[in-house]
Parts: sequence; C-alpha cells; structure tokens
Amino acid sequence: GAGVSQSPRYKVAKRGQDVALRCDPISGHVSLFWYQQALGQGPEFLTYFQNEAQLDKSGLPSDRFFAERPEGSVSTLKIQRTQQEDSAVYLCASSHWDRTYEQYFGPGTRLTVT
Amino acid sequence: AQTVTQSQPEMSVQEAETVTLSCTYDTSESNYYLFWYKQPPSRQMILVIRQEAYKQQNATENRFSVNFQKAAKSFSLKISDSQLGDTAMYFCAFLPTGNQFYFGTGTSLTVIP
Repeated sequence: GAGVSQSPRYKVAKRGQDVALRCDPISGHVSLFWYQQALGQGPEFLTYFQNEAQLDKSGLPSDRFFAERPEGSVSTLKIQRTQQEDSAVYLCASSHWDRTYEQYFGPGTRLTVT
Repeated sequence: AQTVTQSQPEMSVQEAETVTLSCTYDTSESNYYLFWYKQPPSRQMILVIRQEAYKQQNATENRFSVNFQKAAKSFSLKISDSQLGDTAMYFCAFLPTGNQFYFGTGTSLTVIP
C-alpha cells in the first residue's frame, strides 16, 4: 500500500470492554512498532515485531495489553478490560528490518474509554 | 536511562520569520540517531529531519536545519521562512542502538499570518 494504515480511526469503549486495533504496515516492511500517545505527550514505545516474532514487549503497560502479528504482516493490538487510563492515540509504524531509523507512521487510532 | 526534553511547550512565529525549537537528550551511548517529527492535527507523524550522531555536519532539509551539539547533547531545529503549513506539534526523538524510539513531550508551534 501507499502507507501505513490503521483502523478504526476512532474508537469509543465503555470501561471494562475489550478492544482490538488494527495496523496494516507498508508492504514489504518486516519491522512493526506500536506506540501509545497520551494527550499532550509524545509517543511511548509499546512493542516491536520482526515478521511474526514479537522481539520486544517491554513497553506494554500491563498484562491487559496484547499484540500479535500472526502472518508477519497485519498486526492487532488488543486491550482487555479497558480502563480510563488507556485513553490515548495508538500509533503504528513500520520499517525495513535493517532501517529502523526510517519508521513510517500510520494516522493512529484514538481510543476513548468512558 | 534515555530521556528527551523539550522545554518549550508552545511557541509562535510570524509568517516568513525564523524560529528555533530546542531539544536536549540524555544517553550514555555514542552512536544514535536524532529526529524531528511534525504532527499536524491529523495525527500523522511526519519526519522533518534526521541526524546521525557520528556525522558532525548538521543536517539540512530545505527550510529546516538542525544545530547538533553532541557534547552538550543538544539538538535544536531551525525553521526558516515560516509558513502557515508549519503550524503543528513538533517532537524531538532519539533512537539509540536497538529499535525503541524515545520522544520528547512536544512543542506546539503556531505560525501567525
């Protein structure tokens, strides 16, 4: 595709609901990253995939957060039992495996937990 | 610990004037990348400019240039001939060895017509 796409663009969830956020990386990009951007803050790293392997999940804030990339392309970030503090923009980025300094970002999903 | 600090939450500049956004970072690594990203209201993070730490020459991209002071761990962005389309949040970011970006808290820039 032309760029990284994310869906949905906006998601409103009631506290306690589960949500799933999707990321379609640029075709051919092996590396995929998830970031969380709270209101008024810069993005913070959540997790990193190389193909289907999740190589770093040190940024996931709790065990309610789970990410997968089963076929090494599309990735899903799942948040279980959402809490108000989960409200944020979730950004996805992708890159070639050897050029992680060239990460291309998607437009993000704004999650609001009420 | 890797940290990025942007001490100017908001800035404004007259159209066609020059403005400088500040950024400092802290790291014990010797090789890394530094970036400035622009984030308009659409939320799309757009790369403005990138600097490799081992390069002494300051990066330049058209109206955008940086002042990279490695010893001082400073990385400021200068925008010349400011345009209305430059209005956005600007984030300084740091990429050490590995794959994890570290972002500052951002500077909201408004270009005044």
